[in-house]
Amino acid sequence: DAGVIQSPRHEVTEMGQEVTLRCKPISGHNSLFWYRQTMMRGLELLIYFNNNVPIDDSGMPEDRFSAKMPNASFSTLKIQPSEPRDSAVYFCASRRTSGDTYEQYFGPGTRLTVT
Amino acid sequence: KNQVEQSPQSLIILEGKNCTLQCNYTVSPFSNLRWYKQDTGRGPVSLTIMTFSENTKSNGRYTATLDADTKQSSLHITASQLSDSASYICVVSGGGGSYIPTFGRGTSLIVHP
Repeated sequence: DAGVIQSPRHEVTEMGQEVTLRCKPISGHNSLFWYRQTMMRGLELLIYFNNNVPIDDSGMPEDRFSAKMPNASFSTLKIQPSEPRDSAVYFCASRRTSGDTYEQYFGPGTRLTVT
Repeated sequence: KNQVEQSPQSLIILEGKNCTLQCNYTVSPFSNLRWYKQDTGRGPVSLTIMTFSENTKSNGRYTATLDADTKQSSLHITASQLSDSASYICVVSGGGGSYIPTFGRGTSLIVHP
C-alpha cells in the first residue's frame, strides 16, 4: 500500500489567495483526520470524518477553513482567504474504525507558507 | 480540560546511551495512549499503543510503560542510535466513543556520535 498521499508537498502563496490541500487515505480506511502542526502549538486536530461524514470540526480555526470528503478516497482542506498565520505543516491521517485499536497512519504533510 | 504534558522538552544524549521520556496526562475517560516518532520533515509514525489494561509494551529498542492510576507514561530508548534523533510525541485518546486525541508538544531528542 502506498500509505496516505498528500499533495502538494510544499505550497507558497500570497496572503489573500485560496489554498487547497489534498489527501488520499489508505484504501479500506473509513476515518480521515486533518491536522495542523506549528512550532508554537504542536499538532492540532482540525477536523475528522467517519465514512465521509464530518464528525467533529471544532478544531477548525475559523470560517476561512473548510474541508470536504466527497468519497472514501479523497479529501480536501481549503483556506480562503489565506493569511500568514496559516503557515504550518498540514497532515492528513487515516485509520480503520475496527481491529486497529484506533491506529492512525499519517501522510508526509503539506508545508504551507503564506507570505 | 484534557491535557498531555511531556518532559523534557528537548534532550541530547550520546550514541549508545539509554534515555527515558515522560508523558503525564489528564484525559478522562481514558481509552489508549500512543507514542509516535516524527523525523524531521515527515509525518508521525506510531511506535507503541497501550490500552487501559496494558502497563508495558516494547517495539525493538523502544519500551513504553503506562500507569493508568497516576496517569503517567514513559518511553525508554535503549542503546540509542543516530537514527533515533527525532521528535517523540505522546498522544492520549479518550473513551466513551470519542475519537478525538489529545497531543503532547513532543520531546525533541538529539543523539550525538
